[in-house]
Amino acid sequence: DAGITQSPRHKVTETGTPVTLRCHQTENHRYMYWYRQDPGHGLRLIHYSYGVKDTDKGEVSDGYSVSRSKTEDFLLTLESATSSQTSVYFCAISGVEGNTGELFFGEGSRLTVL
Amino acid sequence: AQSVTQLGSHVSVSEGALVLLRCNYSSSVPPYLFWYVQYPNQGLQLLLKYTSAATLVKGINGFEAEFKKSETSFHLTKPSAHMSDAAEYFCAVSDGNYGQNFVFGPGTRLSVLP
Repeated sequence: DAGITQSPRHKVTETGTPVTLRCHQTENHRYMYWYRQDPGHGLRLIHYSYGVKDTDKGEVSDGYSVSRSKTEDFLLTLESATSSQTSVYFCAISGVEGNTGELFFGEGSRLTVL
Repeated sequence: AQSVTQLGSHVSVSEGALVLLRCNYSSSVPPYLFWYVQYPNQGLQLLLKYTSAATLVKGINGFEAEFKKSETSFHLTKPSAHMSDAAEYFCAVSDGNYGQNFVFGPGTRLSVLP
């Protein structure tokens, strides 16, 4: 196990409410990522972080923000959730094995926006 | 820019039959290539990776993949399918740098028939 914990694992919320998903790693690795997984789209990168307070946008960043105040925690926030943000969200880390860049994933957080 | 295509969103094989999942990539630099497996309601697990050493790569659970530069392919095979191989499989390409340079294919769902 790569030591990645996501919380909550399941959440149902209503349109317009804020939601925060948490990713916690015990590996002390620099890079952390948030992906969303949707049928027919595979995994798409939302945001990633390359260090404390250092983040950048991915392919589908609109409607999402992130924060990383500690090496071990990477938060994904939906300021005002919409039904299009119903998805499974995965956190990943990299840098575990040399410099080949492979990702190691958490178990996922299933979000339903009604 | 890098990209990955996986031929066939759904592949069915009989138990004991050969498994062949196709992956083609596009990369402007020598790539690192990966196969991930995702079982229902779980995160992605690294199956195997190609990092410019041997072109035939062996992974977990009896899977292997061969890097063919001339064909820009990295197909995944297993000689004899087992019921427990039923899952979704993702091919991915990276340029070895961290950040958003890790691109996933859309995935192939493998069904194993008794």
